[in-house]
Amino acid sequence: AQSVTQLGSHVSVSEGALVLLRCNYSSSVPPYLFWYVQYPNQGLQLLLKYTTGATLVKGINGFEAEFKKSETSFHLTKPSAHMSDAAEYFCAVSTSGTYKYIFGTGTRLKVLA
Amino acid sequence: EAGVAQSPRYKIIEKRQSVAFWCNPISGHATLYWYQQILGQGPKLLIQFQNNGVVDDSQLPKDRFSAERLKGVDSTLKIQPAKLEDSAVYLCASSPPWAGGEAFFGQGTRLTVV
Repeated sequence: AQSVTQLGSHVSVSEGALVLLRCNYSSSVPPYLFWYVQYPNQGLQLLLKYTTGATLVKGINGFEAEFKKSETSFHLTKPSAHMSDAAEYFCAVSTSGTYKYIFGTGTRLKVLA
Repeated sequence: EAGVAQSPRYKIIEKRQSVAFWCNPISGHATLYWYQQILGQGPKLLIQFQNNGVVDDSQLPKDRFSAERLKGVDSTLKIQPAKLEDSAVYLCASSPPWAGGEAFFGQGTRLTVV
């Protein structure tokens, strides 16, 4: 069975500062990993995903994440936070053949002016 | 391409009433999901369809929740009778028929049970 743990339900950063949102996963088989963003009263929008190949993946809006198998982590980063990045972020795991997506509990990002 | 369509966007009902939500997935997506998202939590899978067959409904409260996906396209999720704790956002998603494809989400239906 797969699971996802997101450390920190709330993260605050200053505008222009580094954003780091943490995600650790558990999977007995090679995982597919995803980061989604959710704005108020909206559905989830894909930021980026890791399936195979390069472990550093780049997504939309300047976000990137690195798959580290040894640490079972898939942390999301952005070099410089913007006010528009304020939202809730969800990490998710899936595996080949199941087409099932398991989500973490989410991290709410607040960007301070 | 058109996204996942859901209706209604908002619904307020009294406890013990019934309610139904509708979802039309992206064309060609064989897998359809219904998630329940309670305020402040991550989405929880209620039911997963592959075409018109159920793959996983282990977390669906079957005494009050039901879902169907006729003809393998659109889907309906029903709650009868509703409880206060059913207040949540109900998200529909669909995914393409290849490994590693991401799930695409609709905007959700916000249900308030009073």
